[in-house]
Amino acid sequence: GESVGLHLPTLSVQEGDNSIINCAYSNSASDYFIWYKQESGKGPQFIIDIRSNMDKRQGQRVTVLLNKTVKHLSLQIAATQPGDSAVYFCAENLANNRLAFGKGNQVVVIP
Amino acid sequence: DAGVIQSPRHEVTEMGQEVTLRCKPISGHNSLFWYRQTMMRGLELLIYFNNNVPIDDSGMPEDRFSAKMPNASFSTLKIQPSEPRDSAVYFCASTLSNEQFFGPGTRLTVL
Repeated sequence: GESVGLHLPTLSVQEGDNSIINCAYSNSASDYFIWYKQESGKGPQFIIDIRSNMDKRQGQRVTVLLNKTVKHLSLQIAATQPGDSAVYFCAENLANNRLAFGKGNQVVVIP
Repeated sequence: DAGVIQSPRHEVTEMGQEVTLRCKPISGHNSLFWYRQTMMRGLELLIYFNNNVPIDDSGMPEDRFSAKMPNASFSTLKIQPSEPRDSAVYFCASTLSNEQFFGPGTRLTVL
């Protein structure tokens, strides 16, 4: 598969523990944010999104937190599983559905 | 639905050759995006279409790159002539609203 994580910040987490991935965005006017997961050899896959009128949104085993004051986004994964090993990208919506992606964070789950 | 379909999945070519990448978006989606992903630069938006019309091609690196969307179900990204620095994974994504659905990508290697 394609190697996209060799130079990325890496989080190693024990299976069953919680993971937290952080992201800083640049545009204070951005009103919509998305987290994507990219497994080796695949395209990015939508995980969860949040609008700027919210501070927190929960999905299945994932929670996204938005701090507009410091322009910070985080993704929390509960009870991390081996299948969660991937590169995670945050993206901010600019205009006309254009997305600006962060550099990505690699998560490695240790069995 | 089969999702976004890209072809070929892998392409190896020699410098100076023409390369054409193909994308079939999800039926009913009205926006289509072409991205390039490298380890050094991450995921970059090259161009996007709305209702088959190119809206923003500011991400296209050079005149060697061109993209077309002749109808709602097909788009091409062409590089002519190709250069080794064009080696990357090229993704196509489509959307109806905010969530972009990515294809599996085309891994391009220019020797």
